Amino acid sequence: AQSVTQLDSQVPVFEEAPVELRCNYSSSVSVYLFWYVQYPNQGLQLLLKYLSGSTLVKGINGFEAEFNKSQTSFHLRKPSVHISDTAEYFCAVSGYNTDKLIFGTGTRLQVFP
Amino acid sequence: DGGITQSPKYLFRKEGQNVTLSCEQNLNHDAMYWYRQDPGQGLRLIYYSQIVNDFQKGDIAEGYSVSREKKESFPLTVTSAQKNPTAFYLCASSIEGGSEYFGPGTRLLVL
Repeated sequence: AQSVTQLDSQVPVFEEAPVELRCNYSSSVSVYLFWYVQYPNQGLQLLLKYLSGSTLVKGINGFEAEFNKSQTSFHLRKPSVHISDTAEYFCAVSGYNTDKLIFGTGTRLQVFP
Repeated sequence: DGGITQSPKYLFRKEGQNVTLSCEQNLNHDAMYWYRQDPGQGLRLIYYSQIVNDFQKGDIAEGYSVSREKKESFPLTVTSAQKNPTAFYLCASSIEGGSEYFGPGTRLLVL
């Protein structure tokens, strides 16, 4: 079975500052990893995903994430955030043999001017 | 445009009443999912279906029922047995081994 931990429930940051949202997972099998973003009262939108290959994954809106197998982490980063990045961010994991996603509890990113 | 539609956007339910949430996709995806979202708890899987006429319980299926008579449609019924149904409900779909695409959600409120 897999599980996902997002240690930070809220991350406040000023506009144009860098940000890192942390995600750690546990699994007894190889995994796929995902980051989703949710704007208020909307569904989730895929930011990026790691399936295989390069451990540095680039996504939409200038976000990137690095898969670190030894630390079982998949932290999300952006070098310079914008007000419009204010949203809830979810990390998710699935095993190779399943289509089901296991979600973390989410991190609310609040960008201040 | 391909995508997932959920209706209605807001739904009110009286105590003891069953309500059905609609989810339709035109992405030709085989798999469909229903999640419940509560503040601070992330998304929890209610039911999922990997093929027409077949579905499996997720982590919190009690008080819910689904059907999958067509590939495009996966309606969720919230029954009176669900004691705390107020939540945001999200439907998603995916191809085998692919990412999940989400609908815009339905917010259910019990009066």
